Amino acid sequence: QVKLLQSGAELVKPGASVKLSCKTSGFTFSTSYMSWLKQVPGPSIEWIGWIYAGDGGTNYNQKFKGKATLTVDKSSSTAYMDLSSLTSEDAAVYFCARAGNGVPFAYWGQGTLVTVSS
Amino acid sequence: DIQMTQSPPSLSASLGDKVTITCQASQNINKYIAWYQQKPGKAPRLLIRYTSTLESGTPSRFSGSGSGRDYSFSISNVESEDIASYYCLQYDNLPYTFGAGTKLELK
Repeated sequence: QVKLLQSGAELVKPGASVKLSCKTSGFTFSTSYMSWLKQVPGPSIEWIGWIYAGDGGTNYNQKFKGKATLTVDKSSSTAYMDLSSLTSEDAAVYFCARAGNGVPFAYWGQGTLVTVSS
Repeated sequence: DIQMTQSPPSLSASLGDKVTITCQASQNINKYIAWYQQKPGKAPRLLIRYTSTLESGTPSRFSGSGSGRDYSFSISNVESEDIASYYCLQYDNLPYTFGAGTKLELK
């Protein structure tokens, strides 16, 4: 079955960068659209962007351009998200998700908590 | 960006009640709305897509309807396992946007 396994929680210093991973199995990764989302309690859930694993093509939410960079490694069926110049506003749970049945977020990873603190 | 106005923010129900959540889009979203359930510490789970199509495994007590800008999601005969937060998502236009969520609690 479809599985998306995300990397563990991160504690990062302000101004630093972090790279999150999402290892997948159970489907053809190279023909999949993989999205990343941010959840902070209260403001709800935000879509950061998607990447097409076949050719690495990306589409970002304008709000996250310059903050997030999405990449994939087809050899390991893994999606990555780099977050740069972290501030307290980047503290959140980040999810990866795969499209399915015409819906952009049909299958989800378990989430990665990012804490930003000195 | 399309704004999704979801209400109510919270809902208190007794077991067996019927509850309804609404989402209004800032423009026509052509029925491209999905509904998710999220329990604490877990990822959202897709329940309904394209307004009213139940995903495999979604109990029939869940339903969705609507068109244009106005959509609703209902749970008939609320069960204890339904206690969670619920979110709507529009996926007609980029950027995809979510409602603010509705927290369903037991009365």
